[in-house]
Amino acid sequence: GAVVSQHPSWVICKSGTSVKIECRSLDFQATTMFWYRQFPKQSLMLMATSNEGSKATYEQGVEKDKFLINHASLTLSTLTVTSAHPEDSSFYICSAGTANEKLFFGSGTQLSVL
Amino acid sequence: AQRVTQPEKLLSVFKGAPVELKCNYSYSGSPELFWYVQYSRQRLQLLLRHISRESIKGFTADLNKGETSFHLKKPFAQEEDSAMYYCALSGGGSGNTGKLIFGQGTTLQVKP
Repeated sequence: GAVVSQHPSWVICKSGTSVKIECRSLDFQATTMFWYRQFPKQSLMLMATSNEGSKATYEQGVEKDKFLINHASLTLSTLTVTSAHPEDSSFYICSAGTANEKLFFGSGTQLSVL
Repeated sequence: AQRVTQPEKLLSVFKGAPVELKCNYSYSGSPELFWYVQYSRQRLQLLLRHISRESIKGFTADLNKGETSFHLKKPFAQEEDSAMYYCALSGGGSGNTGKLIFGQGTTLQVKP
């Protein structure tokens, strides 16, 4: 099946710094990618829908200035957590949809903000 | 409001026993329902979707609109079925399949 690569798999940063997470569709083009957040022992929560060449659509309650999403090409979407704080520590997962609307997930990024 | 509820956090069964993972949903339109599975240290992957009506690894799920349920079933559990299972809902339509609302997840533990 299709492969979605997410990088890095884990990152530790200091409070106040910014962190960029990449999501790539390796063998297919994804006009739409999705970013989820998962707290320990909780479900995945959709943060935003990333559309190639246009602005991302954020879910209610997600700060767009805090979580910057860029979808510059059909195979790459990035999520930048700006001025990260400890409460931003979480597991972030991306997914990408194929032309026939099948969805594939990245392996996730564990962010720890000190 | 759109919502997916998986009432059981943990389901523990013995190998060979039947399994039913419960999922109820709340959605005003015609949703698409999915089951995703996450094996230990692996990424989330699609197990099945109600539209395809296929059986994967012996698992089936029937959409019951009257009861707004999409329970996942398998007649004989195997140890390799031990994993976290998520029920998810999509509003459907082109481009919307990935905009999923997930349930809280159920850990299935199959004991030898």
